[in-house]
Amino acid sequence: DTAVSQTPKYLVTQMGNDKSIKCEQNLGHDTMYWYKQDSKKFLKIMFSYNNKELIINETVPNRFSPKSPDKAHLNLHINSLELGDSAVYFCASSPAVRNTIYFGEGSWLTVV
Amino acid sequence: ILNVEQSPQSLHVQEGDSTNFTCSFPSSNFYALHWYRWETAKSPEALFVMTLNGDEKKKGRISATLNTKEGYSYLYIKGSQPEDSATYLCAFVNDYKLSFGAGTTVTVRA
Repeated sequence: DTAVSQTPKYLVTQMGNDKSIKCEQNLGHDTMYWYKQDSKKFLKIMFSYNNKELIINETVPNRFSPKSPDKAHLNLHINSLELGDSAVYFCASSPAVRNTIYFGEGSWLTVV
Repeated sequence: ILNVEQSPQSLHVQEGDSTNFTCSFPSSNFYALHWYRWETAKSPEALFVMTLNGDEKKKGRISATLNTKEGYSYLYIKGSQPEDSATYLCAFVNDYKLSFGAGTTVTVRA
């Protein structure tokens, strides 16, 4: 079983659409994250949740809204998609804040 | 914004040679330093978590050292093999969050 799984793996969509990426972890971790990989492969933190509570919200457009229905899930909803949103988005989890991070396989989003 | 820098950005090494590269980070509010290995088309995987000044960790042919007073960590690869080709990320952990460096991409030539 995949420890951190995110779906879909590939998503091609038109500008202006609204889309969601789902993430689930079966590791029993308290903390979950969304990272964006930029064009230079740099991993930038977007959001972090600890026990379903938002603890980190970096400078991300408010078109991006995370939702954590429970500790094992952290979904990312993106409204009004723009070309610049095209990137790989990684979900991740850790036992607690500041612990080792376990990454999902990434979701490749292409906005056309 | 926390300044976590890795150098060099990329390097090529001949199979069998050894190599090393650096991660520098702020020397204040240190909690931990992580190293991750990121192979192409995969997701990053943790190599080491280092917390104490002077820490040395080893995993097979890969090892790392930590100097928290001066704010740097070295990763060493001994006798590089093609399967060592990957991007190696360090992550500085302070009081409240973890920040990644941009990575060092290692290519091992057979």
